[in-house]
Amino acid sequence: RKEVEQDPGPFNVPEGATVAFNCTYSNSASQSFFWYRQDCRKEPKLLMSVYSSGNEDGRFTAQLNRASQYISLLIRDSKLSDSATYLCVVNRGGSYIPTFGRGTSLIVHP
Amino acid sequence: NAGVTQTPKFQVLKTGQSMTLQCAQDMNHNSMYWYRQDPGMGLRLIYYSASEGTTDKGEVPNGYNVSRLNKREFSLRLESAAPSQTSVYFCASSDLIPGGNTIYFGEGSWLTVV
Repeated sequence: RKEVEQDPGPFNVPEGATVAFNCTYSNSASQSFFWYRQDCRKEPKLLMSVYSSGNEDGRFTAQLNRASQYISLLIRDSKLSDSATYLCVVNRGGSYIPTFGRGTSLIVHP
Repeated sequence: NAGVTQTPKFQVLKTGQSMTLQCAQDMNHNSMYWYRQDPGMGLRLIYYSASEGTTDKGEVPNGYNVSRLNKREFSLRLESAAPSQTSVYFCASSDLIPGGNTIYFGEGSWLTVV
């Protein structure tokens, strides 16, 4: 089993839709969690951290479920500009090496 | 507002040639990384340096060497390029917080080996 797994998609949604992605992780010692966004032919950039209690940033909501070992990203009112690949990142306690999922592709169409 | 800067952005090499990818960060980060990204494979760690003076192998180190020249700079060298090393290479850096890193990437270097 991969350490961090994501559905590669693509998720193809109309503008205005709500879409959610999950990411599962296998190491129960994982301590910190992030969502990154990567546009085509660009570098990954931090979208948001994921906190235990869940957190929101505008149209984006991130959740952590430690019992089931997954994190989620919810995007409300999707925009064309949300089209990108979303990478899940997990850090183990005591490790300097973040583990990246392979990403979930989102395509928002008019 | 430079962040992580890597050069060159594009390079074409012939099989067997050598080259060095340069990377520098101005965020005073201790940890630096080199990744490659291939279609369908996601980001794969080549080498990393947890702090100045140390380097360690990642998932796919074969065919590469690295040098942590100082706290700011971390270079990646291909001694004898092979077509299998055609890829996009990303340098990255992060704070020295085990288990809590936010990682920042350079813009990438597109390398083609023919």
